[in-house]
Amino acid sequence: AQRVTQPEKLLSVFKGAPVELKCNYSYSGSPELFWYVQYSRQRLQLLLRHISRESIKGFTADLNKGETSFHLKKPFAQEEDSAMYYCALSNQAGTALIFGKGTTLSVSS
Amino acid sequence: DTAVSQTPKYLVTQMGNDKSIKCEQNLGHDTMYWYKQDSKKFLKIMFSYNNKELIINETVPNRFSPKSPDKAHLNLHINSLELGDSAVYFCASSRTSGGGMGELFFGEGSRLTVL
Repeated sequence: AQRVTQPEKLLSVFKGAPVELKCNYSYSGSPELFWYVQYSRQRLQLLLRHISRESIKGFTADLNKGETSFHLKKPFAQEEDSAMYYCALSNQAGTALIFGKGTTLSVSS
Repeated sequence: DTAVSQTPKYLVTQMGNDKSIKCEQNLGHDTMYWYKQDSKKFLKIMFSYNNKELIINETVPNRFSPKSPDKAHLNLHINSLELGDSAVYFCASSRTSGGGMGELFFGEGSRLTVL
């Protein structure tokens, strides 16, 4: 079965500290993985996707097929990074995204 | 110039009533979705339509009936509302391509409260 697991409901860090939001998945074949972010009072929006292999707002995520993980990382957290982060996986048919339960990131000064 | 718009944003109603939520996208996308976000912020796919054709119906009660009059609209009608239907309903759209899932563009959500 396809599944996305985000083990942390809440992650609190201080400004300038490194951040790692964990995501593990269950999927047969080559997964298509994404991170979506929802800032306060804003729409849910795409942050990055693994096939792009790019860094957005200082965030990166590497697909590790051996560990079935797609953790989101940032070396130095900023207060404006505070938001809800969802890891998502394309379903087998490529017709919808399956979301994890989300992790709230809180960055304080 | 809103890309994906939903109405109403807030809906408070009594158990047993019937209500509708409307969604429109002006991005020229051919696929539209309804997601439900429960009180624990868990986002779950309900329906997906591609070019007005139902693609996904994820074990949603029959009381929920989506309707897509054209590619740009996907409405959600809910009959005989129950307390457990209280949630935020998100509409989204994407462009279908041969290269896998396109980026989902979400609406602001419609918060439904059933009393």
